[in-house]
Amino acid sequence: DAGVTQSPTHLIKTRGQHVTLRCSPISGHKSVSWYQQVLGQGPQFIFQYYEKEERGRGNFPDRFSARQFPNYSSELNVNALLLGDSALYLCASSSPSGIGDEQFFGPGTRLTVL
Amino acid sequence: SQQGEEDPQALSIQEGENATMNCSYKTSINNLQWYRQNSGRGLVHLILIRSNEREKHSGRLRVTLDTSKKSSSLLITASRAADTASYFCATALTPFNKFYFGSGTKLNVKP
Repeated sequence: DAGVTQSPTHLIKTRGQHVTLRCSPISGHKSVSWYQQVLGQGPQFIFQYYEKEERGRGNFPDRFSARQFPNYSSELNVNALLLGDSALYLCASSSPSGIGDEQFFGPGTRLTVL
Repeated sequence: SQQGEEDPQALSIQEGENATMNCSYKTSINNLQWYRQNSGRGLVHLILIRSNEREKHSGRLRVTLDTSKKSSSLLITASRAADTASYFCATALTPFNKFYFGSGTKLNVKP
């Protein structure tokens, strides 16, 4: 079975632009979470979606939004990019049976904002 | 500030030695998980320990959890060069379905 896939692998944008990152969960997983990892730090929780509904949101500005599709894939959108948005964006899927299920991570999308 | 914090921030050992890293957290948790990350790539799940468990083993890994001290430790026995990576603890809070990661321990195993 394929693991969590993310696209694109790398992305370079300029300040003020917007970006869309994509994630496909493991087959059968209905929950997708997004994380931002700045160099040298641990991942920071952005969103969790389950059955197309937002289940949790981290402390990120409204420039960050996400959605989940009927096939459980997900998109993360970031508007009005800032230099500080440069980071590795990780997607994780889990098969929810309760709070805090094991999460399976994709390889990430490295976003560079110039 | 971060819910979970690992200690030490960096650890350098020789192949064959044991490596111990610690994680402290602040609030009640549902479970605690340890992940490994190689060179800024995706995270690999190592082990999950629930709040009602005190110790768990998986291969060369041993994890302990002390909920009274709000701390956990990860022991890697007989380390190998391939264990060189960053290790993170992640806490799942109750009732919120969010994961919080610490800032990680960077382990370097010298051959």
